Amino acid sequence: DVQMTQSPSSLSASVGDRVTITCRASESISVYLNWYQQTPGKAPKLLIYSAYTLQSGVPSRFTGSGSGTDFTLTISSLQPEDFATYYCQQTYTNVVTFGGGTKVEIK
Amino acid sequence: QVQLQQWGAGQLKPSETLSLTCAVYGGFFNNFYWGWIRQSPGKGLEWIGEINHSGSTNVNPSLKSRVSISVDTAKNQFSLKLKSVTAADAGVYYCVKVRLELLEYYYYMDVWGKGTAVTVSS
Repeated sequence: DVQMTQSPSSLSASVGDRVTITCRASESISVYLNWYQQTPGKAPKLLIYSAYTLQSGVPSRFTGSGSGTDFTLTISSLQPEDFATYYCQQTYTNVVTFGGGTKVEIK
Repeated sequence: QVQLQQWGAGQLKPSETLSLTCAVYGGFFNNFYWGWIRQSPGKGLEWIGEINHSGSTNVNPSLKSRVSISVDTAKNQFSLKLKSVTAADAGVYYCVKVRLELLEYYYYMDVWGKGTAVTVSS
């Protein structure tokens, strides 16, 4: 299975900060990389698919980039509602796998 | 706007069969794949598998021997059965709507059910 490694596993940031989360695949996955946001007690919510395409209704402060093995999720100006856990997901191979998550906490 | 409503038994004993159903509201059932994902503190998010309206399935090989995913197009519902559960199968199970178009380079889960918490204990 393709291993997805996210870093950092957690970070502390303030409202207004620019935040970057990285996701690395153990082998090339083209652009089959999705990002999800999860708040406590809720289901994950799709933010970005195919590495850089913003899901409808998601604020433009979220951007995704990358291809192959290295990907990035950037939040340009962190808002109070963005404190959550973020997961990457690869859907390139016949076994879909997720990263371990990055928890974004209030500084 | 598609909504998913899921239900099923949340408390199981070891060796029992987990059975969950998800109803689809507000969408074109035949246009998409429908799947299951689970989440546990130990394993994180784990893809279980998915099915389309004609019954074609993709299932995680690690669970394939115990998993059955089925569809009822007349009711716009799909179901998951997981046999011989152990404590390792405990967690929250989500049903999801899957958008899959490999020629267009996309394959993602854009609608999630609220989740069903499953515990396994004797």
